[in-house]
Amino acid sequence: DAGITQSPRHKVTETGTPVTLRCHQTENHRYMYWYRQDPGHGLRLIHYSYGVKDTDKGEVSDGYSVSRSKTEDFLLTLESATSSQTSVYFCAISPPGMEETQYFGPGTRLLVL
Amino acid sequence: QKEVEQDPGPLSVPEGAIVSLNCTYSNSAFQYFMWYRQYSRKGPELLMYTYSSGNKEDGRFTAQVDKSSKYISLFIRDSQPSDSATYLCAMSDDSGGSNYKLTFGKGTLLTVNP
Repeated sequence: DAGITQSPRHKVTETGTPVTLRCHQTENHRYMYWYRQDPGHGLRLIHYSYGVKDTDKGEVSDGYSVSRSKTEDFLLTLESATSSQTSVYFCAISPPGMEETQYFGPGTRLLVL
Repeated sequence: QKEVEQDPGPLSVPEGAIVSLNCTYSNSAFQYFMWYRQYSRKGPELLMYTYSSGNKEDGRFTAQVDKSSKYISLFIRDSQPSDSATYLCAMSDDSGGSNYKLTFGKGTLLTVNP
């Protein structure tokens, strides 16, 4: 898993509650990404970061925010969870010198009731 | 037209068969091509990475890129039950900077039967 951990690994929550997912990496990689994976849609980029406090939106960023106050941690927050955000969330990093590739974490399964 | 098209399968083959997985794409700026393998309930794992056109071989796996046809392939020789997984193609251009975004196919589900 390229030194990437995600927490929690599973979560069940209710509609309207805030949820924060954490991605932690141990190699001080500059680039980090958050994806969601859904049947019929594949992997879709939510947000990405190219350094501490440097983040930008992906293709499905509505309803999500991110923060990166330390190199090793990239947080994804669902401000007010909805059932449409039920998904599997993956964090990824790009290693230096191979920024065009990405290595993925183990994923977080989120169920919003 | 979607940027990357991948046959979702499912594809079922007997053990020992040669498997061919394919993706087509429309963006001529793509220069980097990857194949990921994803086992059930796991994260995608980078399997093969190639730059521009040509072939790359790694054990039983061969990746081919034909930029003139905008077509990439992954061949698996002597397929094994442990190869049963979803295979995702991915590609990116060389715009670099702060924007190293991958475009993924939706994946092909492969089952290799003993």
